Amino acid sequence: DAGITQSPRHKVTETGTPVTLRCHQTENHRYMYWYRQDPGHGLRLIHYSYGVKDTDKGEVSDGYSVSRSKTEDFLLTLESATSSQTSVYFCAISESGGTSPLHFGNGTRLTVT
Amino acid sequence: AQSVAQPEDQVNVAEGNPLTVKCTYSVSGNPYLFWYVQYPNRGLQFLLKYITGDNLVKGSYGFEAEFNKSQTSFHLKKPSALVSDSALYFCAVRPRDGGATNKLIFGTGTLLAVQP
Repeated sequence: DAGITQSPRHKVTETGTPVTLRCHQTENHRYMYWYRQDPGHGLRLIHYSYGVKDTDKGEVSDGYSVSRSKTEDFLLTLESATSSQTSVYFCAISESGGTSPLHFGNGTRLTVT
Repeated sequence: AQSVAQPEDQVNVAEGNPLTVKCTYSVSGNPYLFWYVQYPNRGLQFLLKYITGDNLVKGSYGFEAEFNKSQTSFHLKKPSALVSDSALYFCAVRPRDGGATNKLIFGTGTLLAVQP
């Protein structure tokens, strides 16, 4: 498996609280992505990064922010968690853009009560 | 809007029989096409991709996929299913005009159940 660690693996939080999920990679890949997985929707891209301090929005970015201060770390923050953000969150990395495969972490299951 | 369709939520097949998991897409141009597999409580794993060339692409674990441009389809196949193939399978598409990053559009997934 590619060296991708997501933390925490599980989290329960209350509506209105901020939450930060962490993705750490040891592959030195340039590109990093955050997806959420929901039944009936497959995976949807939240934000992605194409280098240190270079990030952009995906298709479901509202309510989320990201930061990448080092190549190996990509943080996803839910600024004020809502029940609609209950989901499984996956971090992915790719060595280059274009058609290189994505390698996924094992996910973080987030429950917002 | 660009989209990927996996028309079957679940496919059931007996071990040893051939399997097909269907995927069609509605994306402009000639996109790049991918299949990923997800085992319980794990992230997705890359199986294979179609970029150009031969319409039949071979991938990991004995899987292959057939690209059909006129039908805008990219069906996943395997000649002989194994119980260990039971998992959730995702088709994904990357538009060729998607820029430098590999931003994928995923289907909703098909659960493959292989009975012994």
